[in-house]
Amino acid sequence: DGGITQSPKYLFRKEGQNVTLSCEQNLNHDAMYWYRQDPGQGLRLIYYSQIVNDFQKGDIAEGYSVSREKKESFPLTVTSAQKNPTAFYLCASSMRSGSGANVLTFGAGSRLTVL
Amino acid sequence: AQSVTQLDSHVSVSEGTPVLLRCNYSSSYSPSLFWYVQHPNKGLQLLLKYTSAATLVKGINGFEAEFKKSETSFHLTKPSAHMSDAAEYFCAGGVNRDDKIIFGKGTRLHILP
Repeated sequence: DGGITQSPKYLFRKEGQNVTLSCEQNLNHDAMYWYRQDPGQGLRLIYYSQIVNDFQKGDIAEGYSVSREKKESFPLTVTSAQKNPTAFYLCASSMRSGSGANVLTFGAGSRLTVL
Repeated sequence: AQSVTQLDSHVSVSEGTPVLLRCNYSSSYSPSLFWYVQHPNKGLQLLLKYTSAATLVKGINGFEAEFKKSETSFHLTKPSAHMSDAAEYFCAGGVNRDDKIIFGKGTRLHILP
């Protein structure tokens, strides 16, 4: 089945450590996105990428980094510079086709807890 | 600039009664609007999408939404709530295919037995 796979599902990190969240899709989608979800705040966009080797900052990019070396992969690194990294992280993808905004397909999420 | 506002953070209805989840949008251009549903500790699933073809949009699981330009609203409705509808619902919008999608803060729907 086609879809988006995020790993790990749960991750614990000590303060000062960098961690990388994996996001892989086999949908042949062009665009990929990372969102952060906190209770009562909805989804906030961290980074997005429309094509391979290109990505743009979203609304809350500080303390995060990404790469897009392959079409199917868009890993997110949460660095030690991110002051409050405990959150639920969602990866999504979409086709770039037609007019209007595209439907996002989401992964199951990764929950990061800083100890 | 565009924005999406969900007017209620929590809604409670009894099983078998109608559901109304409210969403207002602001956009300088004709938007695409979406409703997504999220069950606990899961990703989001698309319920329905509006792209100007028809103002009344039917989605999965009996949900529908009506785009009202004069009221800048895109409210989600269902005639009869089921226990399995208990989840968090997100309204979202964008303008063109390269736009980032803007999400509302979500509405948690509680179904009372």
